Amino acid sequence: GNSVTQMEGPVTLSEEAFLTINCTYTATGYPSLFWYVQYPGEGLQLLLKATKADDKGSNKGFEATYRKETTSFHLEKGSVQVSDSAVYFCAPGGYGGSQGNLIFGKGTKLSVKP
Amino acid sequence: GAGVSQSPRYKVAKRGQDVALRCDPISGHVSLFWYQQALGQGPEFLTYFQNEAQLDKSGLPSDRFFAERPEGSVSTLKIQRTQQEDSAVYLCASSRDQGTQYFGPGTRLLVL
Repeated sequence: GNSVTQMEGPVTLSEEAFLTINCTYTATGYPSLFWYVQYPGEGLQLLLKATKADDKGSNKGFEATYRKETTSFHLEKGSVQVSDSAVYFCAPGGYGGSQGNLIFGKGTKLSVKP
Repeated sequence: GAGVSQSPRYKVAKRGQDVALRCDPISGHVSLFWYQQALGQGPEFLTYFQNEAQLDKSGLPSDRFFAERPEGSVSTLKIQRTQQEDSAVYLCASSRDQGTQYFGPGTRLLVL
């Protein structure tokens, strides 16, 4: 079946450091790819998405590129801030272009220290 | 509404008690999803509605779990004879277009 493997945390970085959170997936079709973020005490929020190969999603300085050949969707940010401390979830979904459920990774907890 | 709302936000139940969790999706969103998120884990899919039709319930863990959306808007997730392993956060999400789901704040259920 479809699945996702996400880099395990926790990840602790200093402010302004470079961030990469790896995400790979298995798929029988062509899913849309999402990163969701969960800030402390809050619900899941969509961070960015990409719907087809080579698309780059971006938001709030975060980026991820849909790599069909490596079935990956790694999240990157050039300079993290303390306010980026949260749990990040990679989630393929919408398989085959239909409205399908999301399959979430286990989440990566990011802590950014001043 | 402005976003997906869920009620109650917190629920404490005694083992064996029945509970009902409510979800109000974003107005106009035809698709509605329920997920279960255990502590320290990612959400796991429970069930999916398109309007009032329940198109996928493959993620419901047992026949004690039941969901409905009778008028294609508000949905209720019901858990009968709750067990301790049902303790989790239950998330509702709705979507209009393909794939982009908007989540509610969740209901945190604790079964004692």
